[in-house]
Amino acid sequence: SQQGEEDPQALSIQEGENATMNCSYKTSINNLQWYRQNSGRGLVHLILIRSNEREKHSGRLRVTLDTSKKSSSLLITASRAADTASYFCATDVGSGSRLTFGEGTQLTVNP
Amino acid sequence: GAGVSQSPRYKVAKRGQDVALRCDPISGHVSLFWYQQALGQGPEFLTYFQNEAQLDKSGLPSDRFFAERPEGSVSTLKIQRTQQEDSAVYLCASSQTGFSYEQYFGPGTRLTVT
Repeated sequence: SQQGEEDPQALSIQEGENATMNCSYKTSINNLQWYRQNSGRGLVHLILIRSNEREKHSGRLRVTLDTSKKSSSLLITASRAADTASYFCATDVGSGSRLTFGEGTQLTVNP
Repeated sequence: GAGVSQSPRYKVAKRGQDVALRCDPISGHVSLFWYQQALGQGPEFLTYFQNEAQLDKSGLPSDRFFAERPEGSVSTLKIQRTQQEDSAVYLCASSQTGFSYEQYFGPGTRLTVT
């Protein structure tokens, strides 16, 4: 079963624009992670944000977490064609082991 | 350093055949995970090891699925009597410990059952 739901399912933007993807989840979490997956490849870890954190940055990526709304967002600034990929949020719900993934947002950045 | 590796990368099996999928985690990583990813979906958890101990196998879809990690490093996921619904990408991931650390994923094995 999927814990997280990403929104939108698909997003198409022009190079240089910002892309925002949202994730909602259902139960309390230890942390939330964002991953990127290029077509036909494995997942690449982007950012981990813990339940007691509200915002985190890494390069052009900014992640926010609102535990009261059980939601997170991933912002990619100044997007590039190479950012084209599927983006997944994944929650660690307390066992400290298994991740529960959403269905992903397919981002297309047009040159 | 070397990442997580998986073999084979692609596997075609006839329905009813047994398959074995291998995962080499990052050296020194205590925790190892297997996930199944259907086309167009997010990965779904199958099972989790801490060293050689299989601590959670609640995601294995049936008793045809079996995983082992006998020496606490390399892991094998075995699927017996494969069926068409087993067709998916099988992803392996490892992490330093199970608790609140990012997981590093391998490239996956794409299994097609015909």
